[in-house]
Amino acid sequence: DVKVTQSSRYLVKRTGEKVFLECVQDMDHENMFWYRQDPGLGLRLIYFSYDVKMKEKGDIPEGYSVSREKKERFSLILESASTNQTSMYLCASSLGNRGGYEQYFGPGTRLTVT
Amino acid sequence: AQSVAQPEDQVNVAEGNPLTVKCTYSVSGNPYLFWYVQYPNRGLQFLLKYITGDNLVKGSYGFEAEFNKSQTSFHLKKPSALVSDSALYFCAVRERRKGDMRFGAGTRLTVKP
Repeated sequence: DVKVTQSSRYLVKRTGEKVFLECVQDMDHENMFWYRQDPGLGLRLIYFSYDVKMKEKGDIPEGYSVSREKKERFSLILESASTNQTSMYLCASSLGNRGGYEQYFGPGTRLTVT
Repeated sequence: AQSVAQPEDQVNVAEGNPLTVKCTYSVSGNPYLFWYVQYPNRGLQFLLKYITGDNLVKGSYGFEAEFNKSQTSFHLKKPSALVSDSALYFCAVRERRKGDMRFGAGTRLTVKP
């Protein structure tokens, strides 16, 4: 089974702090994704990566950055956390782009910024 | 641009009755389409997908979905609902040759005994 793990299930940070969310997958997937999930808005794509050291902006990249130094690891960084970044953050991975591959999701990190 | 609409925030059905969760999409060209389910405090679990071929796709837990190209729809169905099917359901679309997908806002399904 594919396993996607996220570093924390719950996280509480203060406004202005730098926050790191880590995601690791164990199936040698090329693609990795970060979403945030908010009630009534579904999942919104923040950033994704097709390969090591590559990144693409999703629909809501403002206030976030990402890092992918190794194939299995994809980090989401909140440079200066704000209260409007309080949300559930979901990481996912999938095989490459040339097939109808589904994404596999981690359990999520519920981030609260106070 | 890819987008998905789930017109119902909430669907309520009685146990044993058939259920339908609606999804329409917008994408350039032929799509890949997916359904996911989310149980409380869990990540998303893959249910089924449409890639090509037969318009009726069967997936996990007795769910199926019908692809309708003319109506740009991909409704999720189950002939007989269970209380344990109560969860949040997400439809997603992906353009071919792209790796990223877009999700709908989700539909909360409640199955009452």
